[in-house]
Amino acid sequence: GAGVSQTPSNKVTEKGKYVELRCDPISGHTALYWYRQSLGQGPEFLIYFQGTGAADDSGLPNDRFFAVRPEGSVSTLKIQRTERGDSAVYLCASSLSAGTKLFFGSGTQLSVL
Amino acid sequence: GDSVTQMEGPVTLSEEAFLTINCTYTATGYPSLFWYVQYPGEGLQLLLKATKADDKGSNKGFEATYRKETTSFHLEKGSVQVSDSAVYFCALSGDLDSSYKLIFGSGTRLLVRP
Repeated sequence: GAGVSQTPSNKVTEKGKYVELRCDPISGHTALYWYRQSLGQGPEFLIYFQGTGAADDSGLPNDRFFAVRPEGSVSTLKIQRTERGDSAVYLCASSLSAGTKLFFGSGTQLSVL
Repeated sequence: GDSVTQMEGPVTLSEEAFLTINCTYTATGYPSLFWYVQYPGEGLQLLLKATKADDKGSNKGFEATYRKETTSFHLEKGSVQVSDSAVYFCALSGDLDSSYKLIFGSGTRLLVRP
C-alpha cells in the first residue's frame, strides 16, 4: 500500500495476556519507529529501528515490551503479561532514513480489560 | 530533559476566524520544531516544520515561526475552515544523535463551526 499499515486497528485483551501489534512500513523506508499515545496525551517515543536493528529502545517502559524487525521491513511490537495501564493507541511510523520526514500509521487501539 | 508545552483545548472558533495555538519548548542544543495534525480517523501528518531560529514554516495557510528568544513556535492561521477541525500537536526533535526522536506536546483540539 501507499502508506504505513498497522494491524489490528483495535485489540481488546485481558490483563495478563500476551499481544502482538504489527506494522507494515512504506516500502523502501529503512527507519521505523513505535510511539504510544495515551488518552489525552501526545505520542511518546518507544523504539527506533534502523534496518533490522533497534538503534534506540530507550522509550520501552519495561521488559514486558519488546519489538522486532527481522527482515528490515515489517515490525512487531510484543507486550507480555499486559496490564490495564498498557491501554493506549500504539503508533508506528517510518521514514526514508533517520531524521527525514516521518509517515505515521493510523495506530492500533489496545484495550486491556 | 527536553519537553513541549502547548495550550489546552478545545479551541472553538467560527469559520473565517483567526487561529493561534501556543507552543513553547525546553531543549538543549538546537532542536527542530514541528506541527503535526491528526484529522478524525486518520494518522498523524506533518503540517509544517522549522529547523533553525527565525525560520518560518508554512503549509495550507498555517504558519509558525521558530523563536529562540522566547522558546516558542506558535501556530497561526488567518482564516480557519470547518475542514481544519482536528487535533494539533507541537513537537521537537533533538539535534545530532537524537534527530530521529520526536517529543510531542499533549495536543490541542480545534473545532471550527460553520
